[in-house]
Amino acid sequence: NAGVMQNPRHLVRRRGQEARLRCSPMKGHSHVYWYRQLPEEGLKFMVYLQKENIIDESGMPKERFSAEFPKEGPSILRIQQVVRGDSAAYFCASSPAIGGTNEKLFFGSGTQLSVL
Amino acid sequence: EDQVTQSPEALRLQEGESSSLNCSYTVSGLRGLFWYRQDPGKGPEFLFTLYSAGEEKEKERLKATLTKKESFLHITAPKPEDSATYLCAVRSNFGNEKLTFGTGTRLTIIP
Repeated sequence: NAGVMQNPRHLVRRRGQEARLRCSPMKGHSHVYWYRQLPEEGLKFMVYLQKENIIDESGMPKERFSAEFPKEGPSILRIQQVVRGDSAAYFCASSPAIGGTNEKLFFGSGTQLSVL
Repeated sequence: EDQVTQSPEALRLQEGESSSLNCSYTVSGLRGLFWYRQDPGKGPEFLFTLYSAGEEKEKERLKATLTKKESFLHITAPKPEDSATYLCAVRSNFGNEKLTFGTGTRLTIIP
């Protein structure tokens, strides 16, 4: 049973380009979360999605950032017109459901985004 | 706003030297407190969930405890492979499913 798969592991972009980060949740998991981690800072919540629905995007910057989790295929975090401040590790997590013992999140290994 | 503060930021121990990591939290209705371990270049790995004051959970050399204001991660007779960053997070009863994380304690066990 494969874990949460993220790709690419490392992504280099120049200022103004677009970054697309992909996340395939664990098999059977229908809930996906995106977090961002800056050096010396904790993981910061960005967005929570279920299939075809954005449930909570309260941690997502209002501009340039978007996320989707289509019926088929991986979840995508998209950053348009990247700036140097977007450089960070982006982690995806998944869970099978909410409530009770299924509440723990399983994290992927992350995508390290570097903006030149 | 939910807040999590972890201390110390970094801790160096000799192999076999037991200690505790602290996680202080403020949350509007605790739904769960989570401990994760994170190795360099990897994502967090789940360790424990605690739900109510007085609850304790153990796994190998680790034991997590919870009060109404803080949680401790006790490490007994640690080994070098226990070296990692330990993260604490809380989930609130109100609003949404997000976890609010602390900045972690970077633990180094010296052989």
